[in-house]
Amino acid sequence: DARVTQTPRHKVTEMGQEVTMRCQPILGHNTVFWYRQTMMQGLELLAYFRNRAPLDDSGMPKDRFSAEMPDATLATLKIQPSEPRDSAVYFCASGARTTDTQYFGPGTRLTVL
Amino acid sequence: QKEVEQDPGPLSVPEGAIVSLNCTYSNSAFQYFMWYRQYSRKGPELLMYTYSSGNKEDGRFTAQVDKSSKYISLFIRDSQPSDSATYLCAMNTGTASKLTFGTGTRLQVTL
Repeated sequence: DARVTQTPRHKVTEMGQEVTMRCQPILGHNTVFWYRQTMMQGLELLAYFRNRAPLDDSGMPKDRFSAEMPDATLATLKIQPSEPRDSAVYFCASGARTTDTQYFGPGTRLTVL
Repeated sequence: QKEVEQDPGPLSVPEGAIVSLNCTYSNSAFQYFMWYRQYSRKGPELLMYTYSSGNKEDGRFTAQVDKSSKYISLFIRDSQPSDSATYLCAMNTGTASKLTFGTGTRLQVTL
C-alpha cells in the first residue's frame, strides 16, 4: 500500500528554534508539494518540486522557510527561526504526472511556543 | 475574492439523507476537478477526480462539473455517520500540477 510518509508527526518547539520536517513521497512519483493548513487560511501551497527541481515556492516566506529535495525519496521543509505564527499542520503530497492527482501524507502538527 | 469559494458549513444531516456539497470558482482555465475528504487530524484523501464538464459516479458519490457556470458539486447518497468529515474541492488548469483548494465544508451525519 503506497503512501506518503512524514516525520515527525508532532513537533513542539520554542520561538527561534530551527524546525525540520521530512517527507518520503510515493515511490515513482516525480512531483512533491508542501502545504500548510490552518483554521483561518485553510490549505496553502508553500512550494512544489518536479523531478527534484523547485518549480514554485512563491507561497513560502523566503526569509525563514526553505524547501529541498536531496534525493527522489526525501523532501525537507525547514523553518529557521520559527515563530508562533508558524504553528499549523504541514502536509506533504506527491503526484505522478502534471495533471494527475495528489496524494497527501498524514501531516506534521507544529506548535511554536 | 478567492479563486475557489466553498461554504465552510458546518452542515448537519440525518443518516440516510442526500448531501450536496458545492464549490464555485472564477478561473475559467481550470480543467481538472477533485474532491478530497479529510477526517479530523488526518491528511486529505482523494475521493473523486473529474476532467472538464459532466458527471462521474462512484458508489454513493457523484461528482458534477458545470464549467459554463463555474460550479462543481459532490452528492452523497444514503449518507452514513462515517461520512462525517471535511470535504475540500480542488482544481487545476492542467498546464501545471498546482492545485487550488476550497476552504472545505465540514459535514456531520447524525444517527
